Amino acid sequence: GENVEQHPSTLSVQEGDSAVIKCTYSDSASNYFPWYKQELGKRPQLIIDIRSNVGEKKDQRIAVTLNKTAKHFSLHITETQPEDSAVYFCNAGGTSYGKLTFGQGTILTVHP
Amino acid sequence: NAGVTQTPKFQVLKTGQSMTLQCAQDMNHEYMSWYRQDPGMGLRLIHYSVGAGITDQGEVPNGYNVSRSTTEDFPLRLLSAAPSQTSVYFCASSYSGAGTGELFFGEGSRLTVL
Repeated sequence: GENVEQHPSTLSVQEGDSAVIKCTYSDSASNYFPWYKQELGKRPQLIIDIRSNVGEKKDQRIAVTLNKTAKHFSLHITETQPEDSAVYFCNAGGTSYGKLTFGQGTILTVHP
Repeated sequence: NAGVTQTPKFQVLKTGQSMTLQCAQDMNHEYMSWYRQDPGMGLRLIHYSVGAGITDQGEVPNGYNVSRSTTEDFPLRLLSAAPSQTSVYFCASSYSGAGTGELFFGEGSRLTVL
C-alpha cells in the first residue's frame, strides 16, 4: 500500500514568517493529496487539497505544491499567525482502496 | 446535518472490560473508518469499510472488531480492553473509498483503560 513520510515532525516559527511542511509518497499512481489541520483537542479538518493534474493550488495564505516526478508535495503557509499553531497531517490517496493512511504529523508552533 | 457523530466522548474502563464506540454519519457516505491517535504517533487506521456489509483491517486492527450493517453506522468494539488501548479514537467518513475525497471526522472519543 501507499507509504507517506512527513517532515519535519515539529516546526517553530515567528509570527509573520513562512512555514513549509513536506510529504513524500511511494505510489506514483496516487492522485489526491489533502492536508488536514488539527487544533488542540479538536478533530482534524481539511484545509486544502490538490489533485495530480495540478501543480499548485492556493487559498489565501496557504498553498500546496505537487512534484509528481519526485513524488512529493508540500504545504506552504505564508504570514503565519498564532492561530496557525496546530498539528498538520498529509495523506496520499487514490490507490490503496479504503486503506487511507496519514503522514506522522507536524506540530507547528507560531510564536507571537 | 450533523455530519459524523461519535459517542461517548469520554470513557474509563478497567482492564478486561468490553465496550462499543458508536459512530454515525448522515451524509450517505459509503466509506467509513476508525483511527486511533496517540501522542507522537499520528493517526493510525484501525478498521475501515467501503460499504454496508464490507469491512477490512487497517494498520492496527488487533483487539478491535467492527461491523457495518447499515450505511449510516460503523461501531467499534473492544472485546477485552487493555491499557495499550488508551487513546483518542476518531471515526471518519468520505464519499470516496478510493481516498480521492475529503475525510470528515467525528469529534473524537477519549478512552482510558486502567
